[in-house]
Amino acid sequence: DAKTTQPPSMDCAEGRAANLPCNHSTISGNEYVYWYRQIHSQGPQYIIHGLKNNETNEMASLIITEDRKSSTLILPHATLRDTAVYYCIVRSNAGNMLTFGGGTRLMVKP
Amino acid sequence: SQTIHQWPATLVQPVGSPLSLECTVEGTSNPNLYWYRQAAGRGLQLLFYSVGIGQISSEVPQNLSASRPQDRQFILSSKKLLLSDSGFYLCAWSLGLSYNEQFFGPGTRLTVL
Repeated sequence: DAKTTQPPSMDCAEGRAANLPCNHSTISGNEYVYWYRQIHSQGPQYIIHGLKNNETNEMASLIITEDRKSSTLILPHATLRDTAVYYCIVRSNAGNMLTFGGGTRLMVKP
Repeated sequence: SQTIHQWPATLVQPVGSPLSLECTVEGTSNPNLYWYRQAAGRGLQLLFYSVGIGQISSEVPQNLSASRPQDRQFILSSKKLLLSDSGFYLCAWSLGLSYNEQFFGPGTRLTVL
């Protein structure tokens, strides 16, 4: 599986945009980038995924660099409820499994 | 709509006791099913996955086992729990295509004393 690298923690002020980076320099051409988040003591929640084009949904935007070696998840207006661990994952092309790394612990502060 | 259930929500068991955690999915047919474990302060580790009834693949050798007796039922078991089995256990499902997202249940927090 391609591995991902994320900063272990980040802070963001409430109402501001949260930009969470992820490096995946060994990603293969047919592998997607997925983002999940996990609020304390709950199961992970799917946020967004993409291949090479930028994607946007009601939760977030995903910006993938042209060389696909890194991406950024953007929460446009962070709220206190966005405090969670955010996982950047590259989907294994050997099956349906997701490989979770350590993630980024985002703390949204008032 | 699809829903995924796990029970119990929390469990405290002594070392050496057996374990049975159950996961059921509603609203879909022939899902792929997964068991993950999350140790305190760490990321998720895939334990088992299943693409159909009676089909189990193990990702990590350990004293746990999984079974899928019905299409939408996935069970995680152990004959004798170890202290290191403590953690947060999550069941997930996905459709059969390779790039579909996985949907997670609420989890079971297991403490082995």
